Amino acid sequence: EVQLVESGGGLVQPGRSLRLSCTASGFTFGDSAMNWFRQAPGKGLEWVGIIRREASGGTTDYAASVKGRFIISRDDSKSIAYLQMNSLKTEDTAVYYCVRGGGGIFAFDYWGQGTLVTVSS
Amino acid sequence: QTVVIQEPSLTVSPGGTVTLTCASSSGAVTSGHYPNWFQQKPGQVPRALIYSTNNKHSWTPVRFSGSLLGGKAALTLSGVQPEDEADYYCLLYCGAAELWVFGGGTKLTVL
Repeated sequence: EVQLVESGGGLVQPGRSLRLSCTASGFTFGDSAMNWFRQAPGKGLEWVGIIRREASGGTTDYAASVKGRFIISRDDSKSIAYLQMNSLKTEDTAVYYCVRGGGGIFAFDYWGQGTLVTVSS
Repeated sequence: QTVVIQEPSLTVSPGGTVTLTCASSSGAVTSGHYPNWFQQKPGQVPRALIYSTNNKHSWTPVRFSGSLLGGKAALTLSGVQPEDEADYYCLLYCGAAELWVFGGGTKLTVL
């Protein structure tokens, strides 16, 4: 059974940093691209970024709203994807979801349960 | 930056058929946008339904189908069930400056 479990969320002050983790199980982690999505309270969904599998270069892409502040990385030996969030702003307050790229080309299939990040002084 | 546009809300009767659409401010939506559709019920994690325009995941009910319709991506629900009441989001591959862009979501009411 595919499982994605996010951790690391919490309350953080504006301008500070936070790192989220996504621990995967039930599939060969190294074979999948991993994405981060987010959802602000009462709002819609937003794609945050992607890290491709090492076989595809392990490259990353980011939404314009987080580019230069957020960094996605992966440790295939531990089946963990990370989202390093720097220079946090109040508008980064959201539930952050880890989502597997899979099920087909340009597809997303399994979602984690999400972790809440609150940026507030 | 591309804006993806969905109907804010739709209402359908149980057993009926409804089509949700997804348009792009940059022009017609094509298969090259690899439209994805997601369902989110209140208080729940989003669930993937459709990828690459019209492909279903193994768990996607048969009554859900995806297509391109009049320059838009479309999600059609045939034989709507009460449990289909949810928010539905489309996601388009826009490449370039912003790889993937979500629509604002459609709140579907089954009444």
